[in-house]
Amino acid sequence: SQTIHQWPATLVQPVGSPLSLECTVEGTSNPNLYWYRQAAGRGLQLLFYSVGIGQISSEVPQNLSASRPQDRQFILSSKKLLLSDSGFYLCAWRTSMPFSYNEQFFGPGTRLTVL
Amino acid sequence: TQLLEQSPQFLSIQEGENLTVYCNSSSVFSSLQWYRQEPGEGPVLLVTVVTGGEVKKLKRLTFQFGDARKDSSLHITAAQPGDTGLYLCAGAAVTGGGNKLTFGTGTQLKVEL
Repeated sequence: SQTIHQWPATLVQPVGSPLSLECTVEGTSNPNLYWYRQAAGRGLQLLFYSVGIGQISSEVPQNLSASRPQDRQFILSSKKLLLSDSGFYLCAWRTSMPFSYNEQFFGPGTRLTVL
Repeated sequence: TQLLEQSPQFLSIQEGENLTVYCNSSSVFSSLQWYRQEPGEGPVLLVTVVTGGEVKKLKRLTFQFGDARKDSSLHITAAQPGDTGLYLCAGAAVTGGGNKLTFGTGTQLKVEL
């Protein structure tokens, strides 16, 4: 079966510091991978998605970047954090098999607080 | 840009009551998912509907996809405290959506004893 991991679970960082959040998927090959940010009690905002190694699509201009150095690894980064980067970050995967129903499966999330 | 509006935004009810959550859009979706999310955790997939007019049941939860595939509803019968959580709908656009889902605005449900 497939599993998705995110770490760290929580992170408190000062403004201006760098960021690296990691997401890995097990039990599947060539998944589509996604990074979302969620405000408290609200829907999900898509930040980045990737359909393959080195292929990154950015959905919103922002202070963040993403990379996919390996097939099942997705990394969210920032060189200098802003207060507005605080939030709950979720990684998700879906199969790249044709005729699938776009179902995405989520990791446990990372709570980021920028002070 | 596809938008999915959910209503109500908040719902607080007593155990045993019934409720319905709505998910509406002006866009047509090839499929629509419902997720439930508990505080501090990732959303968990409940169901996927793909055919206009489709109805799916998951124990006390009934999901319906609109005939035109633009809207959906989630009905919970005899709600229990374990149903408490954030309910999210998400749709895959028929055209232009690529590999992405559009998520609804969310419905926060609280079921009290």
